[in-house]
Amino acid sequence: KQEVTQIPAALSVPEGENLVLNCSFTDSAIYNLQWFRQDPGKGLTSLLLIQSSQREQTSGRLNASLDKSSGRSTLYIAASQPGDSATYLCAVWGTYKYIFGTGTRLKVLA
Amino acid sequence: SAVISQKPSRDICQRGTSLTIQCQVDSQVTMMFWYRQQPGQSLTLIATANQGSEATYESGFVIDKFPISRPNLTFSTLTVSNMSPEDSSIYLCSVAGARNEQFFGPGTRLTVL
Repeated sequence: KQEVTQIPAALSVPEGENLVLNCSFTDSAIYNLQWFRQDPGKGLTSLLLIQSSQREQTSGRLNASLDKSSGRSTLYIAASQPGDSATYLCAVWGTYKYIFGTGTRLKVLA
Repeated sequence: SAVISQKPSRDICQRGTSLTIQCQVDSQVTMMFWYRQQPGQSLTLIATANQGSEATYESGFVIDKFPISRPNLTFSTLTVSNMSPEDSSIYLCSVAGARNEQFFGPGTRLTVL
């Protein structure tokens, strides 16, 4: 059974720092991995999708990497801003469904 | 990407009643998903709804409690039946686009008194 864990559970950093969020999964037989952002009380916004054949994807200040063999993905946020404050979720697509991670609650201090 | 709307955006309901949540997509999609997000928790998949077939429910979720309709390729409903305070959650629908990328609706925040 696929399990997805995110570390740390919460993170508070000063504005301008570069930071890394981690996502681990137990079954490496995945088709893709997706990172989302969720603001309090809101739905999920897709940030990056990495297909199983890819190693990384970039969008603006965000870079996500995928290492299937070790069951890990990282989301790198460069030059963090207060507007980046949100909960970040990773999800892996296995057999016709996504399994979500536990989430990292990020707060960027001005 | 797909644009998804949900109705209602929030509701406060009495114990023992039922609520039907609607999910509308701006394009035709094969797979739609319903999730529950309990307070402070991550997302848990309730069921997968494919047009023209019965919904597939995950372990711990049953059709009598969460009946789902999928009348066409752009619309689905989830009903939360015989509600109790434990059903207080955010309910989200999503669709799988090309490459199985998922897109989410804004969610329905349900409070059961």
